[in-house]
Amino acid sequence: KAGVTQTPRYLIKTRGQQVTLSCSPISGHRSVSWYQQTPGQGLQFLFEYFSETQRNKGNFPGRFSGRQFSNSRSEMNVSTLELGDSALYLCASTMASAETQYFGPGTRLLVL
Amino acid sequence: EDQVTQSPEALRLQEGESSSLNCSYTVSGLRGLFWYRQDPGKGPEFLFTLYSAGEEKEKERLKATLTKKESFLHITAPKPEDSATYLCAVQAPSGNTPLVFGKGTRLSVIA
Repeated sequence: KAGVTQTPRYLIKTRGQQVTLSCSPISGHRSVSWYQQTPGQGLQFLFEYFSETQRNKGNFPGRFSGRQFSNSRSEMNVSTLELGDSALYLCASTMASAETQYFGPGTRLLVL
Repeated sequence: EDQVTQSPEALRLQEGESSSLNCSYTVSGLRGLFWYRQDPGKGPEFLFTLYSAGEEKEKERLKATLTKKESFLHITAPKPEDSATYLCAVQAPSGNTPLVFGKGTRLSVIA
């Protein structure tokens, strides 16, 4: 069974630009969660989608948004990038929210 | 607010030198406690899920245990390939709550 895939793997942007990251969950998984990982803050929850609906949202500004498609694939968007948005963005999928989350390899975003 | 604290932040062991990593948590009830391993530049890899105090799970040289306030990840006779960051996360029982992660323990095993 294929694991969680994320594209692109690496991205370099400049301040003020916007970026879209993509996540394809494990086949059959309907819940997708996004996390931001930085050396200082560790893994911080961004949002969770289940059946195309945002079910949970972390404490991030409105510049961070996401969506989920009918095939469970998910995208997250960050608008008006700031230097502090440089991080590893991780996507995780589960069949249902209460079960074990399986992570993708992440997208490394560098904002210059 | 739910919190997870992992200690130590970093641990250096000689090959074969057994030790334990600690994960203490404050959460009103516990739906599950999760251990992950993360290699540099990669996503976390699932290791164990523990649900109730007294539960234990093993995989190769790793054994995870759970009490009402903390979890331990015991590493027996570690090898250099066990070097990684070990992450602990908890999930509260209310609704569809997200995982809360600790900041991890960075383990280095020296040959």
